[in-house]
Amino acid sequence: NAGVTQTPKFQVLKTGQSMTLQCAQDMNHNSMYWYRQDPGMGLRLIYYSASEGTTDKGEVPNGYNVSRLNKREFSLRLESAAPSQTSVYFCASSEAGTATYEQYFGPGTRLTVT
Amino acid sequence: QKEVEQNSGPLSVPEGAIASLNCTYSDRVSQSFFWYRQYSGKSPELIMSIYSNGDKEDGRFTAQLNKASQYVSLLIRDSQPSDSATYLCAVRGLTGGGNKLTFGTGTQLKVEL
Repeated sequence: NAGVTQTPKFQVLKTGQSMTLQCAQDMNHNSMYWYRQDPGMGLRLIYYSASEGTTDKGEVPNGYNVSRLNKREFSLRLESAAPSQTSVYFCASSEAGTATYEQYFGPGTRLTVT
Repeated sequence: QKEVEQNSGPLSVPEGAIASLNCTYSDRVSQSFFWYRQYSGKSPELIMSIYSNGDKEDGRFTAQLNKASQYVSLLIRDSQPSDSATYLCAVRGLTGGGNKLTFGTGTQLKVEL
């Protein structure tokens, strides 16, 4: 099993450009998450999907949109990139309906907006 | 007050010593607690989870939870240079519901030869 995969690994955008970050998991998990990680700020939740067909805002949703394409895939879209969105983006997944709620992370996407 | 607080470090310990990492949380109804290890330039890796008061041991790692004091810790015995990383504490609470975790900013651990 690959676990959680993310594409691309690195990306450089110019201000105003758009892009979609892709995430897929093969653990049959119901819940999926998008985080950003900035120095000194820790991991902050952007959006999450508790189950297929549902999405909800996290702590820092402004400037982002998400799509839960199916149970395996959860994408994050930047419609008009800004330098403040320069960050490392992590996707994670977890099983819902159990006592564990352990989240497993993908390798990350390093995004630079110039 | 931050919801999950950790000392940023760096915490330096000699090889073979016990490293003690601490985390406090503000949500009294928090139910689940996790420790992640993150090497520089890599993604967080789950190393321990704990759900009830007391100690939980897994190899060289021991997680300790005290819900009354709203405190969770991670002990690493026989510390090795390969343990040098940032350790993230994460908490799942009922506030806000669902499966969401709140992360601390992490403690950097350096194990010195």
